[in-house]
Amino acid sequence: EDKVVQSPLSLVVHEGDTVTLNCSYEVTNFRSLLWYKQEKKAPTFLFMLTSSGIEKKSGRLSSILDKKELSSILNITATQTGDSAIYLCAETSYDKVIFGPGTSLSVIP
Amino acid sequence: DAGVTQSPTHLIKTRGQQVTLRCSPISGHKSVSWYQQVLGQGPQFIFQYYEKEERGRGNFPDRFSARQFPNYSSELNVNALLLGDSALYLCASSLDRGGFWEAFFGQGTRLTVV
Repeated sequence: EDKVVQSPLSLVVHEGDTVTLNCSYEVTNFRSLLWYKQEKKAPTFLFMLTSSGIEKKSGRLSSILDKKELSSILNITATQTGDSAIYLCAETSYDKVIFGPGTSLSVIP
Repeated sequence: DAGVTQSPTHLIKTRGQQVTLRCSPISGHKSVSWYQQVLGQGPQFIFQYYEKEERGRGNFPDRFSARQFPNYSSELNVNALLLGDSALYLCASSLDRGGFWEAFFGQGTRLTVV
C-alpha cells in the first residue's frame, strides 16, 4: 500500500532561519506531488510537482521533486511567525491521493 | 466569490447513529473530494466525485457513502457511527477530473461521536 512519509514531524525555529521539510513517497501510478499549508482547518495549496515540473518557487517558498529518490523537499527561507503551520505533502495517482502526517513548524520571534 | 462551504461546522452524534455532511464547491468546480482528518494526522482520502460519478475511493468501510448532485454539491453519509469516526471531515473542490491538483478546501465539519 502506498505511503507518504514526512520528516521531521515537528520543528521549532527562530524568525529568519531557513528550514527544509522532507517528503518521501512510494509510487504506484504516480501522477503528482502536492504541498499544502494547514494553519487552522482548511489546507491551502502551495505547489504541485510532476514529472514535467520538478521545481517550483513562490516568494520565500520553493520545492523540488527528486524522481529518482521518490522524494520532495519544501524550503522556506527567512522564516516569519506567519509561517507557523502544519505542512502537508500528498502523492496523487489517477484515482486517489495519499497525504503524509504533516510537519508541524513553529517559528518563534 | 464564495469558497468551498461545508455544513454543519460542528456536530455531536451518538454511537450507532447516522450523519450527513454537506459540501458546496466553488462555482464552476465540477470535482469534489472528501477527506477524514484525525487529530495529529494528515487527511485521509475517502471519495472523489466528478460530474456526479464516483471517480475514486479510499480505504474506508461501506458505512461511508457519498453522492454528488447536478449542481455539483455533495453529501457524505456515515452510518452506524463509531467512536473512531470522530474527526474533522474536509471537502475540497477543483475544476477538473482527477482534480487532485489545485484543490480548494472548505473549513471542515468537526464530528464528535460519543
